[in-house]
Amino acid sequence: GENVEQHPSTLSVQEGDSAVIKCTYSDSASNYFPWYKQELGKRPQLIIDIRSNVGEKKDQRIAVTLNKTAKHFSLHITETQPEDSAVYFCAASIAGSARQLTFGSGTQLTVLP
Amino acid sequence: DSGVTQTPKHLITATGQRVTLRCSPRSGDLSVYWYQQSLDQGLQFLIQYYNGEERAKGNILERFSAQQFPDLHSELNLSSLELGDSALYFCASSVEAGAGEQFFGPGTRLTVL
Repeated sequence: GENVEQHPSTLSVQEGDSAVIKCTYSDSASNYFPWYKQELGKRPQLIIDIRSNVGEKKDQRIAVTLNKTAKHFSLHITETQPEDSAVYFCAASIAGSARQLTFGSGTQLTVLP
Repeated sequence: DSGVTQTPKHLITATGQRVTLRCSPRSGDLSVYWYQQSLDQGLQFLIQYYNGEERAKGNILERFSAQQFPDLHSELNLSSLELGDSALYFCASSVEAGAGEQFFGPGTRLTVL
């Protein structure tokens, strides 16, 4: 089955700096890669996703890049703000299939004011 | 608010007991997923139902079972509870049967004493 590894497990940045979280996946057939944000005590929420027919996707301060050859994808947050502090989970799956989302272990991002 | 509801919000019970967690998906969503999130752990996929039928099974213990009813709400039954079953249990729903955006409910926090 799919295996997703996520690094780092914790990340502290100064407000205004950028944050990068990286994930690798094992199954080359995976083609759908979402990122979820989970604030303390709350539900995970999708913040951005990418499918393997594109290499990069941006949404305001958030971007995701995908390298299919290397089987890794990354979340980039620019101009970080204290409200970006949360746990971020990457995941991988095969769109349209019965394959379920396999989540990474999560990254606790802390943005220091 | 994702539109997914879960009850109860908190549940405290003793070892050996049985509990039922309930989930109502967003209007129009046919897929329901159950996840377990233990303290400082990632999201572990348990089981998925699509339009009343079991679609996929993850690392779900034999002591756990689930079903999806004709009105599409789902229940997760946990029996012979152990201390290690203490966790946050999330339900998520989606329109599609396969990979795509999943909308998470607020979760049920289960504490086994």
